[in-house]
Amino acid sequence: QVQLVQSGAEVKKPGASVNVSCKASGYTFTGYYLHWVRQAPGQGLEWMGWIRPETGGTNYAQTFQGRVTMTRDTAITKAYMELSSLTSDDTAVYYCARGGSTNYGPIDFWGQGTLVTVSS
Amino acid sequence: QSVLTQPPSASGTPGQRVTISCSGSSSNIRSNYVCWYQQLPGTAPKLLIYRNNERPSGVPDRFSGSKSGTSASLAISGLRSEDEADYYCATWDDSLSGHVFGTGTKVTVL
Repeated sequence: QVQLVQSGAEVKKPGASVNVSCKASGYTFTGYYLHWVRQAPGQGLEWMGWIRPETGGTNYAQTFQGRVTMTRDTAITKAYMELSSLTSDDTAVYYCARGGSTNYGPIDFWGQGTLVTVSS
Repeated sequence: QSVLTQPPSASGTPGQRVTISCSGSSSNIRSNYVCWYQQLPGTAPKLLIYRNNERPSGVPDRFSGSKSGTSASLAISGLRSEDEADYYCATWDDSLSGHVFGTGTKVTVL
């Protein structure tokens, strides 16, 4: 069965960076896009961007361009999302989620989420 | 910031039918498939509907989706207490070249 297991909760100071990992199993890692979505406390879902594991190609939402970097390691079927220059507005649960075989395909399976708290 | 608009809340009694709307534009809903997600408190979203009206395996047929023009809808028939959750629509936006989510609707079972 498809599983996405994310790294644990993080507490960071303003200005720092955070790196969240996502271990995929139960499907062909390079066959599907991998998206990152965040959800601030009590708020809705916000799409951050995708990575195509087959090629390493990425596309980031304009809101995060210049601050986010998505990478992957196909040997261990893991994806990573690094967000830099953190502020309190970045306090949120960050999800990795499997997309389709195309960039516009539906997002179907989600990781359990990683809480990132930014506080001085 | 969401480009897809949903009502903030909807409610019904057990057994009733509840409908949630999702309003978008020609660059997103009109030209792309719509998905719907259910998010129970403290958990990750779960895919309920894809390609406007298709249900993944395991999703009860009480959930149904539709799309017309720049709007989409999710209907929950035979409402049950376990349906109390937040619901989000989502689709691809050609202008933004990215996925967009609705503002979310909280469903309460009275």
